[in-house]
Amino acid sequence: AQKITQTQPGMFVQEKEAVTLDCTYDTSDQSYGLFWYKQPSSGEMIFLIYQGSYDEQNATEGRYSLNFQKARKSANLVISASQLGDSAMYFCAMRGTNTGNQFYFGTGTSLTVIP
Amino acid sequence: DGGITQSPKYLFRKEGQNVTLSCEQNLNHDAMYWYRQDPGQGLRLIYYSQIVNDFQKGDIAEGYSVSREKKESFPLTVTSAQKNPTAFYLCASSSVGGSVKNIQYFGAGTRLSVL
Repeated sequence: AQKITQTQPGMFVQEKEAVTLDCTYDTSDQSYGLFWYKQPSSGEMIFLIYQGSYDEQNATEGRYSLNFQKARKSANLVISASQLGDSAMYFCAMRGTNTGNQFYFGTGTSLTVIP
Repeated sequence: DGGITQSPKYLFRKEGQNVTLSCEQNLNHDAMYWYRQDPGQGLRLIYYSQIVNDFQKGDIAEGYSVSREKKESFPLTVTSAQKNPTAFYLCASSSVGGSVKNIQYFGAGTRLSVL
């Protein structure tokens, strides 16, 4: 069974500071992909960053980076230089080779950036 | 521009009424998905389809029905059997195949309320 766990219901960060959002996962698949999405108050889910289980380097996309620790089964999202527009819900998701084309989502973390 | 269009943005249902949520994509994706999101919660899979004229139940399919007559379209019907339909509904699509990197893209969502 596939499972994504996000243990931080809410987080606060000062503007211009960095913040880490936690994500742990459980899977028996050898090959899998990990994704982070941002959901602003408008509701649309915006894809941020992807990490493959066989990728040797941590993924980076602009101010977003993924701290991937395979042995610990964690895929934490790091947002550097936080901006007010980063205030949103953030979801971690996973897709495995043995789950067809299903994605599995965590319960999300609400991030609030304080001016 | 390629993307996923959901309509309407807001929908109201009367008791005993069936309502249909529209989802259209021009990304040439084979797989399409419907999720339900309740306030402060994560995404729960209702139905998904990997190919035209075929679809599979997700975790909470009871009270919902879908069709996939065209690759571009995956409408969701919320039937009168769904006793608690008030929620935010998100449609998504992705490519299929052996890669776990196939990203899932989302529409802007439909907010359904019961009158």
